[in-house]
Amino acid sequence: QVQLQESGPGLVKPSETLSLTCTVSGGSVSSGSYYWSWIRQPPGKGLEWIGYIYYSGSTNYNPSLKSRVTISVDTSKNQFSLKLSSVTAADTAVYYCARSSTITAPPCGWGQGTLVTVSS
Amino acid sequence: QSVLTQPPSASGTPGQRVTISCSGSSSNIGSNYVYWYQQLPGTAPKLLIYRNNQRPSGVPDRFSGSKSGTSASLAISGLRSEDEADYYCAAWDDSLSGLAVFGGGTQLTVL
Repeated sequence: QVQLQESGPGLVKPSETLSLTCTVSGGSVSSGSYYWSWIRQPPGKGLEWIGYIYYSGSTNYNPSLKSRVTISVDTSKNQFSLKLSSVTAADTAVYYCARSSTITAPPCGWGQGTLVTVSS
Repeated sequence: QSVLTQPPSASGTPGQRVTISCSGSSSNIGSNYVYWYQQLPGTAPKLLIYRNNQRPSGVPDRFSGSKSGTSASLAISGLRSEDEADYYCAAWDDSLSGLAVFGGGTQLTVL
């Protein structure tokens, strides 16, 4: 069973870059079986898809965040990462890493999520 | 504002059958599969239904999904207290380079 675990700072200052890592266990990011995604959920609100990466490095981002987002993969560590630049309070959310079985599918498996607060 | 439209709340009594609707457009539900998730308070979403009406192993058959045109629905029969949660629909949207879109969520209360 593939499991996902997010890690990274829980507090980020405005205008700085949010950086999170997702560690994959029970499977390999380079297997080609999944697309690896990031999704976020502001407190008390709904879900927003941020983007995904394939093991080859191919990415697709939400147009509303595209100018600030970078998702990368490190096959040697079996991890993939999210960077979101120039953050504001509106970026405060629980960030989830997830996996999808095909290129046009919503996630089929999720990490437990990590809360990131943007505040000075 | 979410791309997919769900009612913000729903309710039912134990044993009852409840349905939650999800409305979209030709670029998402109309041309792609619909997924449903259950989110209990303080936890990550859990996949309930994939590819419109398929249940992952371990999901009770009390949960069922259907799709017609640009709308979909989730039905829960034999309602139980532990079904009280937020439910989200999702689909791929073919706009621009494509992205996953979600409904705003429906909070289900078991009375």
